[in-house]
Amino acid sequence: DAGITQSPRHKVTETGTPVTLRCHQTENHRYMYWYRQDPGHGLRLIHYSYGVKDTDKGEVSDGYSVSRSKTEDFLLTLESATSSQTSVYFCAISERVVRDEQFFGPGTRLTVL
Amino acid sequence: DAKTTQPPSMDCAEGRAANLPCNHSTISGNEYVYWYRQIHSQGPQYIIHGLKNNETNEMASLIITEDRKSSTLILPHATLRDTAVYYCIVSNPGGSNYKLTFGKGTLLTVNP
Repeated sequence: DAGITQSPRHKVTETGTPVTLRCHQTENHRYMYWYRQDPGHGLRLIHYSYGVKDTDKGEVSDGYSVSRSKTEDFLLTLESATSSQTSVYFCAISERVVRDEQFFGPGTRLTVL
Repeated sequence: DAKTTQPPSMDCAEGRAANLPCNHSTISGNEYVYWYRQIHSQGPQYIIHGLKNNETNEMASLIITEDRKSSTLILPHATLRDTAVYYCIVSNPGGSNYKLTFGKGTLLTVNP
């Protein structure tokens, strides 16, 4: 299995609080991605990174920011969590562009009350 | 990226071949077909991908029609652990769009 970990694995927080999710990889892959998965919507891309300090928005980026200061870490921040951000969040990595398979982490289940 | 159409669900008997279809009639010449699966509560797992030729690896075979408008993922001897949602995705690896668009997929249930 690709070396991808996500932390925390589960989190319950309250509306309006900031939340940061961490994705850590040991594969030295260039590309990293954050997805969210909700019933009826499948997986949707939030943000992705194509290198250290290089990030871009996905299809559902409103309310989220990301940072990548090191190759191995990709952080997803919810500045002020809302109940609509209750979801399962998956991080993924790939060595090159989309043609290479993406390896997914185990997911973080976030509940915003 | 081209869109895909998959049946919402399929059943298969354990030990038999599972054939999962996917239609991608608007696929363009530089788009690949990818298959992923997601076992309940886990992250998606890459299975296989191809451009025009049929492909096989240790997990599955991918059959792409000559006109590339459809494909079939074959799990040759399905086991109970193959019960999962299977996603067919088409994407251009050389384009500026880095993302994979996951649709709703096919829920494959392997029965004993």
